[in-house]
Amino acid sequence: NAGVTQTPKFRVLKTGQSMTLLCAQDMNHEYMYWYRQDPGMGLRLIHYSVGEGTTAKGEVPDGYNVSRLKKQNFLLGLESAAPSQTSVYFCASSLLLAGHNEQFFGPGTRLTVL
Amino acid sequence: KNEVEQSPQNLTAQEGEFITINCSYSVGISALHWLQQHPGGGIVSLFMLSSGKKKHGRLIATINIQEKHSSLHITASHPRDSAVYICAVRFGAGSYQLTFGKGTKLSVIP
Repeated sequence: NAGVTQTPKFRVLKTGQSMTLLCAQDMNHEYMYWYRQDPGMGLRLIHYSVGEGTTAKGEVPDGYNVSRLKKQNFLLGLESAAPSQTSVYFCASSLLLAGHNEQFFGPGTRLTVL
Repeated sequence: KNEVEQSPQNLTAQEGEFITINCSYSVGISALHWLQQHPGGGIVSLFMLSSGKKKHGRLIATINIQEKHSSLHITASHPRDSAVYICAVRFGAGSYQLTFGKGTKLSVIP
């Protein structure tokens, strides 16, 4: 099992450019999450999904869109990147609800927006 | 606002020392997680607690629901324990979200 994988690992964008981060899990988990991690702050939830075809907003959703067309994949899109979106992005998955089951994290994507 | 506070922010210990990291939260929770973030950035789940105490190797996690407080203990600390330890809680049975503390950076010196 590869667990949770993320691509790319690093990316540099210019302001206004768009990109998509891909998260894939091979554990047949229902729940998937996108977080961002910034210096001096805890992980913050951007969007999450409770199953294929469903998505919902988390704590900091503005400027991001997501899609879950297949159960194993959860995509995070930035339509027009801004310097404030410079961060490390983590994807996670869990079998059931966030608090009742262990979350498995991907290795992270370090994004810099110039 | 539901908050999670960790202390200390930074901790330096000599190899072999007993270490305690604390986590306090503002309102009742349905579950609390302890996570470890390695220097390379990877995050792994250590424990999930809703009551009592759990032990895995040299790591022990406790939670006091009445006091709204949890502790993570490391016995016989080793340099490989150097990492950021993160507390995260789920506020309420109906919530999908975890709220994370800012983390405690632990450095264990040989």
